[in-house]
Amino acid sequence: NAGVTQTPKFQVLKTGQSMTLQCAQDMNHNSMYWYRQDPGMGLRLIYYSASEGTTDKGEVPNGYNVSRLNKREFSLRLESAAPSQTSVYFCASSEARTGAHDGYTFGSGTRLTVV
Amino acid sequence: AQTVTQSQPEMSVQEAETVTLSCTYDTSENNYYLFWYKQPPSRQMILVIRQEAYKQQNATENRFSVNFQKAAKSFSLKISDSQLGDTAMYFCAFRTGTYKYIFGTGTRLKVLA
Repeated sequence: NAGVTQTPKFQVLKTGQSMTLQCAQDMNHNSMYWYRQDPGMGLRLIYYSASEGTTDKGEVPNGYNVSRLNKREFSLRLESAAPSQTSVYFCASSEARTGAHDGYTFGSGTRLTVV
Repeated sequence: AQTVTQSQPEMSVQEAETVTLSCTYDTSENNYYLFWYKQPPSRQMILVIRQEAYKQQNATENRFSVNFQKAAKSFSLKISDSQLGDTAMYFCAFRTGTYKYIFGTGTRLKVLA
């Protein structure tokens, strides 16, 4: 099925470990996003990529890095995980051309626990 | 700063009844888009309905409709004939001409049998 694929679905890390969350979309969307979801705080934007070759910081970028590997793939890396990064992470994509009003297509999320 | 506020953290409704979820937003933009997303226990985020700010007519999608009051900056979601499958977290979201969406903190809706 077409959509956004995130891996892994669950992960437990020890403080200080690193990991990369993978995201791929097959809808030929230009824009891709990483959000984190925390109880009582909704979804907050970590980083986004408006188009292939560009990335920009969102609301909460500290402690994260991203790579837009190609048009399909957008990865999120935690270099040194901290307990404050325990969260559910969502990747999303959209067409997002100027004037376009499509909503996001979301992946199924990654539940990350840092102990 | 642009903000989205959902003032009802939790709501419940009897099956087959109607419920309205509230959302207000703040922006100085004139052209923007508003969305409601549903997140069931499976965690998957699903687009429920969208509204363009330049359209006066309220959007409808089957049992879901919105009451869009641009002057009041209000965008409520009405669910008619509520079903058990409507049990979920509902997020209101806002987008201008930029690429970023701003989400509210969500309303947890429980449909009671």
